[in-house]
Amino acid sequence: EVQLLESGGGLAQPGGSLRLSCAASGFTFSNYAMSWVRQAPGKGPEWVSSISGTTGYTNYADSVKGRFTISRDNSKDTLYLQMNSLRAEDTAFYYCAKALTGWATYDIWGQGTMVTVSS
Amino acid sequence: DIQMTQSPSSLSASVGDRVSITCRASQSISFYLNWYQQKPGKAPNLLIYAASRLQSGVPSRFSGSGSGTDFTLTISSLRPEDFATYYCQQSYSTPPWTFGQGTKVEFK
Repeated sequence: EVQLLESGGGLAQPGGSLRLSCAASGFTFSNYAMSWVRQAPGKGPEWVSSISGTTGYTNYADSVKGRFTISRDNSKDTLYLQMNSLRAEDTAFYYCAKALTGWATYDIWGQGTMVTVSS
Repeated sequence: DIQMTQSPSSLSASVGDRVSITCRASQSISFYLNWYQQKPGKAPNLLIYAASRLQSGVPSRFSGSGSGTDFTLTISSLRPEDFATYYCQQSYSTPPWTFGQGTKVEFK
């Protein structure tokens, strides 16, 4: 079964850090671009960052550029998101998502992990 | 950035109704348009990609059309499990890849 399982969410103070992980199974992880998409409560989804399958090429939304870092370990079938200098507006469910084709058509999503930034 | 505008924001319908949701892009995105369904507490689920291609496992009552800036998601005969929120998303060229604000389909 194709599956993505996120972990690492929780409560962080403004200015703090968190590292999200996404464990993949059921498909050849290195063959696909992967992304993080977030969704604040009651709002629509927002693309955060993407990484290519093997070259390590990355893209970031302007709202997180310079603060968040996406990475992957293809030997462990795992995607990461290092989040630094967190702000209240980063509060959201964070989903990892697999690309069906190209970069930004997401056919498999994880269950999400909640990140709350509050003092 | 490309802005995606959905209409309506919400609609009320009954089982068996034909339902259409529209999505307009702020500039041409060719056919790089996806539709997702989201139920409360769940992740979005891909229904349609490349404007009109039905994702594997999605019932044929869902269909998509359009190109350029104007797109439509149609549910031919609404079923109880279709009451949800629907989002369009553009996957054109370079990031950011943006979503619409959503359309909530509610029971009349």
